[in-house]
Amino acid sequence: VQLVESGGGLVQPGKSLKLSCSASGFTFSSYGMHWIRQAPGKGLDWVAYISSSSGTVYADAVKGRFTISRDNAKNTLYLQLNSLKSEDTAIYYCARGYNYGYWGQGVMVTVSS
Amino acid sequence: DVVLTQTPPTLSATIGQSVSISCRSSQSLLHSNGNTYLNWLLQRPGQPPQLLIYLVSRLESGVPNRFSGSGSGTDFTLKISGVEAEDLGVYYCVQSTHAPNTFGAGTKLELK
Repeated sequence: VQLVESGGGLVQPGKSLKLSCSASGFTFSSYGMHWIRQAPGKGLDWVAYISSSSGTVYADAVKGRFTISRDNAKNTLYLQLNSLKSEDTAIYYCARGYNYGYWGQGVMVTVSS
Repeated sequence: DVVLTQTPPTLSATIGQSVSISCRSSQSLLHSNGNTYLNWLLQRPGQPPQLLIYLVSRLESGVPNRFSGSGSGTDFTLKISGVEAEDLGVYYCVQSTHAPNTFGAGTKLELK
């Protein structure tokens, strides 16, 4: 099992970014997937979840600004980040399943002018 | 949202010492399907978190059996029976019974 995030970087407040999580080594379409973030020096903060049937749930802090999606044909999970704020600065991880059994290495998103 | 309260926030241990971490939930984590979705993760410095225990007490494959989980309802405990140097890092409990999922604030295990 491997999860590889990409798409991070430095972005100005109010701008957008799209993160990807490429999955391999398992049947991606069979699993719900999460995005979790970790601000510098802080704890883990759950962001969003998409079920195997594409139902979605969001944390209140990102609802209406972030969109989680998946492309089962490409074995890829996405997170569209809009209207970014400085407090969204964090490492963003994707993780698999109800038990968070596999994690990617994470991708850094820095929101700053 | 469910609040998970982890104690202590910091734990100092010597090699070989047994330690416990508590995770208390603001709501019962018993799902209507009979499962309790409470997991324990370890994050070593500079690394992503890794799963240690799932469904309260089930040891993830490859995790040493000095780690054990127990509890029910709202009170859960992770025990390390004989701390080793590789166990240092931050331990998190996470619940996936209720949406949104939530994490505890973490317990940092340090060497005394």
